[in-house]
Amino acid sequence: LAKTTQPISMDSYEGQEVNITCSHNNIATNDYITWYQQFPSQGPRFIIQGYKTKVTNEVASLFIPADRKSSTLSLPRVSLSDTAVYYCLVGSFYNQGGKLIFGQGTELSVKP
Amino acid sequence: EAGVVQSPRYKIIEKKQPVAFWCNPISGHNTLYWYLQNLGQGPELLIRYENEEAVDDSQLPKDRFSAERLKGVDSTLKIQPAELGDSAVYLCASSGGLAGGDNEQFFGPGTRLTVL
Repeated sequence: LAKTTQPISMDSYEGQEVNITCSHNNIATNDYITWYQQFPSQGPRFIIQGYKTKVTNEVASLFIPADRKSSTLSLPRVSLSDTAVYYCLVGSFYNQGGKLIFGQGTELSVKP
Repeated sequence: EAGVVQSPRYKIIEKKQPVAFWCNPISGHNTLYWYLQNLGQGPELLIRYENEEAVDDSQLPKDRFSAERLKGVDSTLKIQPAELGDSAVYLCASSGGLAGGDNEQFFGPGTRLTVL
């Protein structure tokens, strides 16, 4: 099973770029890496997903090195509303029964 | 379009009582997931369905937990009897179930269970 490790918390200021790294040393060949955002009393919300190299969408970028043993979520120019818990999820959707493992989450606090 | 619907949102019961949670996934999503989330922790997968079939229930405590998705649409998760340690948020999610990596999970708001 691909156990994941993330920093417990991070602080930032509005307008800064934030990078959150997740370690997943035992990632399997078929595993994808997905990042979710969660606000209090809500379910997690999808941010971005990737398999290797770099993926970018309108809200974030995901960097995955060649060995895929870690991944970094990059949030450009954060605002106060980005204060939330961020989870990385490693797992396989291609193979039925692939394990889905969430990290412990990184609590991001954005200050004015 | 309606998101994933869960009910109830909150439930308080005494230990040894039964409890059930209901989930209606997004229309057309054939994959449904039940997760348990303890305070300050990431979600932990309990069971995953592909249509009516439970393809991964390895983390479901089968002595007291059960789940069903009879028609491949909505699902029910049951605990009988509940224990103090079952107090947590129970999340339901659904996805399109496509092969490959394009499998964004959509989560419901969760049911917060308190066992006294």
